[in-house]
Amino acid sequence: GAGVSQSPSNKVTEKGKDVELRCDPISGHTALYWYRQSLGQGLEFLIYFQGNSAPDKSGLPSDRFSAERTGGSVSTLTIQRTQQEDSAVYLCASSLAGPSYEQYFGPGTRLTVT
Amino acid sequence: AQSVAQPEDQVNVAEGNPLTVKCTYSVSGNPYLFWYVQYPNRGLQFLLKYITGDNLVKGSYGFEAEFNKSQTSFHLKKPSALVSDSALYFCAVRAASSGNTPLVFGKGTRLSVIA
Repeated sequence: GAGVSQSPSNKVTEKGKDVELRCDPISGHTALYWYRQSLGQGLEFLIYFQGNSAPDKSGLPSDRFSAERTGGSVSTLTIQRTQQEDSAVYLCASSLAGPSYEQYFGPGTRLTVT
Repeated sequence: AQSVAQPEDQVNVAEGNPLTVKCTYSVSGNPYLFWYVQYPNRGLQFLLKYITGDNLVKGSYGFEAEFNKSQTSFHLKKPSALVSDSALYFCAVRAASSGNTPLVFGKGTRLSVIA
């Protein structure tokens, strides 16, 4: 079946501009996660949605970052007034409900802020 | 708090030799443990997981991992390495009692298999 998809695959933007990154999770997956991976680094958790519960925003690095999930499916991560330090690969993952289930990752969006 | 340590940034092994990528964890209560692989310019691919039962878990591409509760370790192994195994490997943990909370990942270990 179809995996997690993300768009765009690459995004180059100027410092100060806003960007939107999109994630389409696997159908039926109620949990959706956003991570950030800087060059050569590990994964940094950003935000997590589980069903209709309020999202866990504890990983967002600043108030310039926000995310929403519409209809329990597609999610959009928005970064306002982008800075050069926002340059990274943004990864989305989804999973079934329950702690024993693995997360399935999309291919990521590479964001470059010039 | 949950955490994962991957003590080696880089592991080099000759093709055909066994490989081990190390992982230790810290979590309250019982752990659920996962290994992922990341090839260049790709997302993370799930390899295997330990939930309960047999301490030796087998996964994709001939990989296996051994859960050791006393040493809080979950090392990834393969009996005979292939050049195509060269990639970045991540260990991750979640407390069994924590619901669907995000996996906590280690910093990754770069595996290089030399022909």
